[in-house]
Amino acid sequence: QKEVEQDPGPLSVPEGAIVSLNCTYSNSAFQYFMWYRQYSRKGPELLMYTYSSGNKEDGRFTAQVDKSSKYISLFIRDSQPSDSATYLCAGLIQGAQKLVFGQGTRLTINP
Amino acid sequence: DSGVTQTPKHLITATGQRVTLRCSPRSGDLSVYWYQQSLDQGLQFLIQYYNGEERAKGNILERFSAQQFPDLHSELNLSSLELGDSALYFCASSPRDNSPLHFGNGTRLTVT
Repeated sequence: QKEVEQDPGPLSVPEGAIVSLNCTYSNSAFQYFMWYRQYSRKGPELLMYTYSSGNKEDGRFTAQVDKSSKYISLFIRDSQPSDSATYLCAGLIQGAQKLVFGQGTRLTINP
Repeated sequence: DSGVTQTPKHLITATGQRVTLRCSPRSGDLSVYWYQQSLDQGLQFLIQYYNGEERAKGNILERFSAQQFPDLHSELNLSSLELGDSALYFCASSPRDNSPLHFGNGTRLTVT
């Protein structure tokens, strides 16, 4: 079983829709959670960084962590064609050095 | 721009050969990480260095090695290359423990 599971998609939604991207994880020692966006032929770009459970909002993006169910979510409001990319969730154990990634979900926003 | 620089961007080589990938971390970042990304495996952690010392090891093959130099740049050496080593290799850096990683744009390695 992979430590971080993510549906690879692809996911296709119309412009302006609310997008929900989700991950589950198995390692209860994860304390830090991140979402990265990766455009084709580019490196992953940090979108959100959260510690433990709760919500964090940054512009059109909201990250949620539910440690009781080991569930991580990223919501994108008012989605734009420029949001089309692969989204990667990741978990990190406090004090450890290995950031563990999910497989990534490929998202397309249709104009 | 993340501030992490990787060279070269593309590398095409033959099986059995050896290559060196180079990474310059963001200014002030002491940690350098190497990841491999392939279609079927996703992003896999290879190795981490902190201020010149190896800090953590992941799924790195014995044919692969890395080092971090006093100026904090890092090199990943891949030897006895096989077709299956074809992948994107990313370098990332961070300033300290538990802080997010910032990635370069990778080196695309093709082994023929």
